[in-house]
Amino acid sequence: AAGVIQSPRHLIKEKRETATLKCYPIPRHDTVYWYQQGPGQDPQFLISFYEKMQSDKGSIPDRFSAQQFSDYHSELNMSSLELGDSALYFCASSQGTSGIPSLDTQYFGPGTRLTVL
Amino acid sequence: EDKVVQSPLSLVVHEGDTVTLNCSYEVTNFRSLLWYKQEKKAPTFLFMLTSSGIEKKSGRLSSILDKKELFSILNITATQTGDSAVYLCAVEEGSNYKLTFGKGTLLTVNP
Repeated sequence: AAGVIQSPRHLIKEKRETATLKCYPIPRHDTVYWYQQGPGQDPQFLISFYEKMQSDKGSIPDRFSAQQFSDYHSELNMSSLELGDSALYFCASSQGTSGIPSLDTQYFGPGTRLTVL
Repeated sequence: EDKVVQSPLSLVVHEGDTVTLNCSYEVTNFRSLLWYKQEKKAPTFLFMLTSSGIEKKSGRLSSILDKKELFSILNITATQTGDSAVYLCAVEEGSNYKLTFGKGTLLTVNP
């Protein structure tokens, strides 16, 4: 079965550079979530989109922005990178607000490991 | 602030043992509680629990939710070395579906 696809899988950047992470949800999933997981930490919610509109915002820095496109893929744009941005960035997708819990389960992609030097 | 607390943080057992992992939560608008298994990669979905007292089972894993006491347990019977992983508990809010994760329980199953 198709899963959530994230690219790139690994990314190395220097301080103050920019990075763009991409997420392709499971087909027919209309909701995308972004999470940041620092070394040895639990995943922290950053931002989510439903039907191309931002649905919720968590602990996402102002230096980061994201959007969901017409094909439901999402991109997380990160500027002025800092050493502390080094983390695993997960994208998850679901059928969102169907109201049926079994359909709204979030399924995670493999993650993008970002290293800021 | 919403909280999800897992215990123990770390657990080491021998193959064949039975383990119980705990997750307690405080959220303003509870919708569901989810268990994930994480093995140095993305969390993989195990269970979603929305109703109290109804046990979900999948092979040697089972889980139950108590919405009155605000906790859930994940049981693993006849543990195997392949069960070694971090088990994450997450609570989903009703209004926006975001997940709040606990810090996880690191389970190590020794042969």
